[in-house]
Amino acid sequence: GAGVSQSPSNKVTEKGKDVELRCDPISGHTALYWYRQRLGQGLEFLIYFQGNSAPDKSGLPSDRFSAERTGESVSTLTIQRTQQEDSAVYLCASRRAGTTYNEQFFGPGTRLTVL
Amino acid sequence: SQQGEEDPQALSIQEGENATMNCSYKTSINNLQWYRQNSGRGLVHLILIRSNEREKHSGRLRVTLDTSKKSSSLLITASRAADTASYFCATADTGGFKTIFGAGTRLFVKA
Repeated sequence: GAGVSQSPSNKVTEKGKDVELRCDPISGHTALYWYRQRLGQGLEFLIYFQGNSAPDKSGLPSDRFSAERTGESVSTLTIQRTQQEDSAVYLCASRRAGTTYNEQFFGPGTRLTVL
Repeated sequence: SQQGEEDPQALSIQEGENATMNCSYKTSINNLQWYRQNSGRGLVHLILIRSNEREKHSGRLRVTLDTSKKSSSLLITASRAADTASYFCATADTGGFKTIFGAGTRLFVKA
């Protein structure tokens, strides 16, 4: 079946603009994650959604970052008033429910460049 | 802040040699996973080891977990040029959902 998809694949924006990144998880996956990866670095946890539970937002770096998820489908990550330090690849992943012992499936990422 | 720390940061070996990467973490975990990343984009899951397991194998991969030392290792045997990639460990907290990744080891296998 289809994997996790993300759009756009690349986004160039000017400092101060808002951007919205989209993630379509694998159908039936109730858990959805957002990560940020700066060039040459590891993945930084941002937020995860699990079913109807309140999302864990503990990784969001500032109040300029927010994310929503519609039911168990699409999620959007919004960055307001973008800064140059927001430049990174934003990765989304989804996971099946039912057990904690299963892996995350990653999308190809959105490369965000803030000029 | 990142929970996992990996060493070495970079590793260069000849094809056919074994590659060992280590991961340390700080708090109790539900499980630990290893992922591979090519070209800085999407990650691919390699192997998952539960907190009550000590060793696991998958093909040329061998993972160990020592919860008393809060550390794990990934061994790739008989490496190939195609194994060139970045490798990340990721720990799931005791609830099993929140996952924290290490900084990764960049492996380069020379043909």
